[in-house]
Amino acid sequence: QQQVKQSPQSLIVQKGGISIINCAYENTAFDYFPWYQQFPGKGPALLIAIRPDVSEKKEGRFTISFNKSAKQFSLHIMDSQPGDSATYFCAASMPGFQKLVFGTGTRLLVSP
Amino acid sequence: EAGVAQSPRYKIIEKRQSVAFWCNPISGHATLYWYQQILGQGPKLLIQFQNNGVVDDSQLPKDRFSAERLKGVDSTLKIQPAKLEDSAVYLCASSLDLQVGYTFGSGTRLTVV
Repeated sequence: QQQVKQSPQSLIVQKGGISIINCAYENTAFDYFPWYQQFPGKGPALLIAIRPDVSEKKEGRFTISFNKSAKQFSLHIMDSQPGDSATYFCAASMPGFQKLVFGTGTRLLVSP
Repeated sequence: EAGVAQSPRYKIIEKRQSVAFWCNPISGHATLYWYQQILGQGPKLLIQFQNNGVVDDSQLPKDRFSAERLKGVDSTLKIQPAKLEDSAVYLCASSLDLQVGYTFGSGTRLTVV
């Protein structure tokens, strides 16, 4: 299965709150899991990525949690800010394949 | 470094007409991708080039879509004839290494009426 399932479709969080976006996959051959952020009128940009040999990766306010046994990974945005309002995509790739399969996206709105 | 350049930014055409999109990747990036992003969905890979050779075009509707990458640099994506369901944003991306990430252009928003 070459799919990555993402939820929720949309999310509203108050400023200072925690935003959580989840993704699930079936193909255990996937070995690279990035998150991309997309602002209106722009292409997606790499935010943070993880490999399955670690359970968590943190960069500033952004954290990926990875559960290999459950085949799930999630993005946590701590202290969410209005400037974080964007669409977030999870993605995955297999070793030897220089291409990404994207989730369906989560539209995040952080209210002031 | 300069980003991925795409043109035009917007295009409106009637169904059954043809249209072409252009992409100039980041200098030195061997891999170039065309993705289709329908409103409310994630990007879907249409075609992947390594230098000027096609690596993956399994999801390219070859009866109407074609793409080429001349001299391993610029690329064009063509649709002929267009259908209503082709309305989408067409994103070009390039990469040096997947682990470093794709660099996407801003896309071409196509509306077929």
